[in-house]
Amino acid sequence: DAGVIQSPRHEVTEMGQEVTLRCKPISGHNSLFWYRQTMMRGLELLIYFNNNVPIDDSGMPEDRFSAKMPNASFSTLKIQPSEPRDSAVYFCASRQEGSNYGYTFGSGTRLTVV
Amino acid sequence: AQSVTQLGSHVSVSEGALVLLRCNYSSSVPPYLFWYVQYPNQGLQLLLKYTSAATLVKGINGFEAEFKKSETSFHLTKPSAHMSDAAEYFCAVRNTGKLIFGQGTTLQVKP
Repeated sequence: DAGVIQSPRHEVTEMGQEVTLRCKPISGHNSLFWYRQTMMRGLELLIYFNNNVPIDDSGMPEDRFSAKMPNASFSTLKIQPSEPRDSAVYFCASRQEGSNYGYTFGSGTRLTVV
Repeated sequence: AQSVTQLGSHVSVSEGALVLLRCNYSSSVPPYLFWYVQYPNQGLQLLLKYTSAATLVKGINGFEAEFKKSETSFHLTKPSAHMSDAAEYFCAVRNTGKLIFGQGTTLQVKP
């Protein structure tokens, strides 16, 4: 298994631009999570999907952030317009609900907004 | 709400010494607890997890953790530190399907 695949690994963009981060979960996993990691706030859950349906988006910072999961093998996190304070590492994770409770993380996307 | 607190944002040990990273949880129900490790510029890797079976949980790379309900603790230990153990370690609790992380502890291993 290739694990959770995120793209791109690094993204540098100018303030005001739209940014789209992508995630492919492990095949067969039915839950998907987006986390953001910063020095100040640590690891924060942004949104969580189960069977492609958003279950908890209470961590989404504001309307500039949106996430979709059109099918079981793909999710996107979009920031529009981006701001310098959005600079962080964004992780995607997946798991099979009801299994051995393991959550598998991707390698992350390091976003820098200048 | 369930949460975890990691005591000590930075721990330094000598190579070969005992590693002890502290985690306390807050939960009104039996918790599912996890330890993850993050090496520089990498994602999070699962070290071990507690899911209400044995209270002493053995993980990868020689790490283990003991669930102590009376102390609401789930401390991570390793008998002998290696240089390769230098990384950031996160304790986490499962709360309504999602993982809630502690602030992390950076482990430094001195030669």
